[in-house]
Amino acid sequence: QSVLTQPPSASGTPGQRVTISCSGSSSNIGSNTVTWYQQLPGTAPKLLIYSNNQRPSGVPDRFSGSKSGTSASLAISGLQSEDEADYYCATWDDSLTGWVFGGGTKLTVL
Amino acid sequence: EVHLLGSGGGLVQPGGSLRLSCTASGFSFSSYAVSWVRQAPGKGLEWVSALSGSGGSTYYADFVKGRFTISRENSKNTLFLQMNSLRADDTAVYYCAKHSGYSYSYVFDYWGQGTLVTVSS
Repeated sequence: QSVLTQPPSASGTPGQRVTISCSGSSSNIGSNTVTWYQQLPGTAPKLLIYSNNQRPSGVPDRFSGSKSGTSASLAISGLQSEDEADYYCATWDDSLTGWVFGGGTKLTVL
Repeated sequence: EVHLLGSGGGLVQPGGSLRLSCTASGFSFSSYAVSWVRQAPGKGLEWVSALSGSGGSTYYADFVKGRFTISRENSKNTLFLQMNSLRADDTAVYYCAKHSGYSYSYVFDYWGQGTLVTVSS
């Protein structure tokens, strides 16, 4: 059971906009910034969003993040087939004194 | 270009030990915190341990406390994870990850390719 809660799956058709939610508590999302990672099949995770809504260089602006209270979300607009991957949210947990991840959301592009 | 190369994984019996290594290049290794994150087959990501840039501060997930030890040799740009008293549920791909700053609180901005640890008799 992951500390952060994500839906196990999401889907959309090319060009659509999809959102993935991440729910936590006051000791993690409520008091720290949220990071999102993309993991393509058979590869290591890649940093997608940091500090709730910042994109590293090279990440398309189709990807955006937001946070409100103890929840966060990742939005992907103009969905493309290459976006098919697992997406994970993560943050520091002050009570556990460690990093915590969501269980991951498998995004399928129909 | 930042590069992290993990090694040392393999098959080990329950109760056994294994030492993972991660060799870094492309950045000033001693200036950044580093972590180990694992992923059991078909499962999600799970943070294991973090180490500050100097090596003076260490953090462990509860499920490895007392069994795993994280360390680094900055002169060789290498991170280690000594794993003792291994259990079947430690079976996973172990990723080394670089933090974007000196402290463990910074995000993981680069990940190694992972090394597979299988604990089985």
